[in-house]
Amino acid sequence: DIQLTQSPSSLSASVGDRVTITCRASQAIVNYLAWYQQKPGKVPKLLISAASALQSGVPSRFSGSGSGTYFTLTISSLQPDDVATYYCQKYNTAPRTFGQGTKVEIK
Amino acid sequence: QVQLVQSGAELKKPGSSVKVSCTASGGTFNTYSINWVRQAPGQGLEWMGGILSTFGTKDYAQRFQGRLTLTTDESTSTAYMELSSLSSEDTAVYYCAREYDFDYGSGSFRYWGQGTLVTVSS
Repeated sequence: DIQLTQSPSSLSASVGDRVTITCRASQAIVNYLAWYQQKPGKVPKLLISAASALQSGVPSRFSGSGSGTYFTLTISSLQPDDVATYYCQKYNTAPRTFGQGTKVEIK
Repeated sequence: QVQLVQSGAELKKPGSSVKVSCTASGGTFNTYSINWVRQAPGQGLEWMGGILSTFGTKDYAQRFQGRLTLTTDESTSTAYMELSSLSSEDTAVYYCAREYDFDYGSGSFRYWGQGTLVTVSS
C-alpha cells in the first residue's frame, strides 16, 4: 500500500507568514492528491483536489502543487481563521490513505 | 443541495457490533462512492472503506477486513457501515464522505456527513 508522510507534524507561524506543508507518497500517484482542512471540532473540508485544483469558495491564499511523489500545500499569508489540522490524501484507488496531519497554529 | 445525514451517537459494549447509517440527498446516488472515515479522539483521519452501489464495488482497508461490512440501499439513498467485534480502540467519530457526482469511486471527498460518535465501553 502507498503511504503518505506529511511534514512538519505541527507548526506555529505569525499572521501574514507564508506557510508550506509537504506530503510525500511512497510511490508515484500522478496528481491524485487532495488536501483537507479540519478545524477543531469540525468536519473535514476539501480544499484542493488533483494536487492543485482549488475548490470553489476556498480563499486564494491556499494553493497546491506537485506530482508523482512530492506535493505541497501553501498558505501565502496565514490568517487566524486558518488555524486547523491539514491532511493530504491519495484518492484514485483503494486504500484511499490520509497523511498523518499537520497542525497549524498562530504564534 | 447535497447533504449526508448520519445516524446518532452510539454506546456499545466490547465485543458487540455497531451499524451507522448515512442518508444522501442531492445528486445521483449511484454515480459516486460512499466512503467511511474514522477519527479516534485526538488522532488523525483514517479511511476505512468505500462502496459504489452501481457496480457493487466494495473496498476495505486491510486492518478492517473481516469485521467491516459496507452496504447500500438505493431505494432510500442510504449507506450503512457495520463494524463488529468492537473494542475500546474503536471509540471514534465515524464520518461518511462522498465524491462529486460521476466520479464513480475515483474522486476526492467533496461532501461529508456530520459524524457519528461511537463509544465502546463496558
